[in-house]
Amino acid sequence: GIQVEQSPPDLILQEGANSTLRCNFSDSVNNLQWFHQNPWGQLINLFYIPSGTKQNGRLSATTVATERYSLLYISSSQTTDSGVYFCAACIFADKLIFGTGTRLQVFP
Amino acid sequence: DTEVTQTPKHLVMGMTNKKSLKCEQHMGHRAMYWYKQKAKKPPELMFVYSYEKLSINESVPSRFSPECPNSSLLNLHLHALQPEDSALYLCASSLSRESYEQYFGPGTRLTVT
Repeated sequence: GIQVEQSPPDLILQEGANSTLRCNFSDSVNNLQWFHQNPWGQLINLFYIPSGTKQNGRLSATTVATERYSLLYISSSQTTDSGVYFCAACIFADKLIFGTGTRLQVFP
Repeated sequence: DTEVTQTPKHLVMGMTNKKSLKCEQHMGHRAMYWYKQKAKKPPELMFVYSYEKLSINESVPSRFSPECPNSSLLNLHLHALQPEDSALYLCASSLSRESYEQYFGPGTRLTVT
C-alpha cells in the first residue's frame, strides 16, 4: 500500500517564525489533505490539495504530484498553531492513509 | 457548514459492558468513516460506509460493530472490549466515495478498564 512520510517529526519555534513541513508519498494519489490536530484531538481541515498551490491566510500548501511530495508553509507562527500536523493521502477512493505527523510547538 | 458531531466526548467502560458511539452529519454526505487513533500515532481507518452500506472493513475485530441507520447517522457498537482498545475514535464524512475530501468530528476518547 501507499507509504506516507512526514518531516521533521518535531519542530520548536518562537512566535513569529516561519516553517516548512514536508510530506512524501510513495505512489500517485487522488487525494492529499493537510490537517491540524489540536490538543483536544480535533482534526481540522487545512487544505485539500492533490496538486497545485493554495493559500489560506498565514498558511499555504503546494503539492507536486509528479514528484510525490507536498509542502505546508506556516508564516508568522502563533502559539495557537501548536499541535500535530498530519498529511493524508489515498490512491483509491476512501482509504485515507495518514503520515506519522509533525509535532509543532510555538513558544511566545 | 462542515460539521460532524460525535457523542459522547468521553467514555469509560468495563470489559463486560456494551456501549455505543454516535456520529452525525447534516451536510448531505453519503460516505461515512470510523477511524481509531492511539496516543502519539496517526489515525487508522476501521470502517467505511457508502450510501448506508458497509464498503470497507479493515479487518477490525468483531467486538466492534458498525451500523449506519440512515445517511446522516453512523454508530459504533462496542462489546467485550480489551484495555488495548482504549483510544480516540474519530468519525468522518465525505460527499461520496468518489469525492475525496473528508471532514472529521471531534472524536470520542474511550478508556476500557
